Amino acid sequence: QLVLTQSPSASASLGASVKLTCTLSSGHSSYAIAWHQQQPEKGPRYLMKINSDGSHSKGDGIPDRFSGSSSGAERYLTISSLQSEDEADYYCQTWGTGIQVFGGGTKVTVL
Amino acid sequence: EVRLVQSGAEVKKPGESLKISCKGSGYSFSSYWIVWVRQMPGKGLEWMAIIDPADSDSRYFTSFQGQVTVSADKSITTAYLQWSSLKASDTAMYYCARIASPGPNNWFDSWGQGTLVTVSS
Repeated sequence: QLVLTQSPSASASLGASVKLTCTLSSGHSSYAIAWHQQQPEKGPRYLMKINSDGSHSKGDGIPDRFSGSSSGAERYLTISSLQSEDEADYYCQTWGTGIQVFGGGTKVTVL
Repeated sequence: EVRLVQSGAEVKKPGESLKISCKGSGYSFSSYWIVWVRQMPGKGLEWMAIIDPADSDSRYFTSFQGQVTVSADKSITTAYLQWSSLKASDTAMYYCARIASPGPNNWFDSWGQGTLVTVSS
């Protein structure tokens, strides 16, 4: 079964970096995923797609502070030089034949 | 610029019907599938259904099969999500999103602003 696992929360200081992890279920380590950001009281925004080889493509207007990478079944989103507006929920998403899957989301707090 | 603009907030009573909309602009509407996503209060994202505006081919997540209906009118570049009999448990924010081409098995690359549906007696 295709499942995405995320830690519920993460935190880092203003100006620091934070690395979020999205883990694909067993047997699905070749799958690409996408990251989406949801700021408080707003709709989601597409950040980037990450392939199994770590290559990624960002959405329009996404700052360079956001980057993606991959290792085995794990897909990462790194936010550098954290800003107050980066405090948000971050969801990973993947897809299979006839299905779409979301991770449970990670709430990022900027200290 | 790709834009998905959703209809406004709705307040309904249990048992009532409802149809909400998602209008696409800035791209070839018929070339990209649309997905509907539910977010219950304080919860995460759940995909509900997807539709191909070109021919209205649709697929439903098992939890939502028979509970909602998706449709699209490519002549006015609009997709719809409808309920025939709302329940209090349908209270949620509903988002549409565009699925990156080609086909239905891809990531979501543009989102609507959301439609809040409140069902209360």
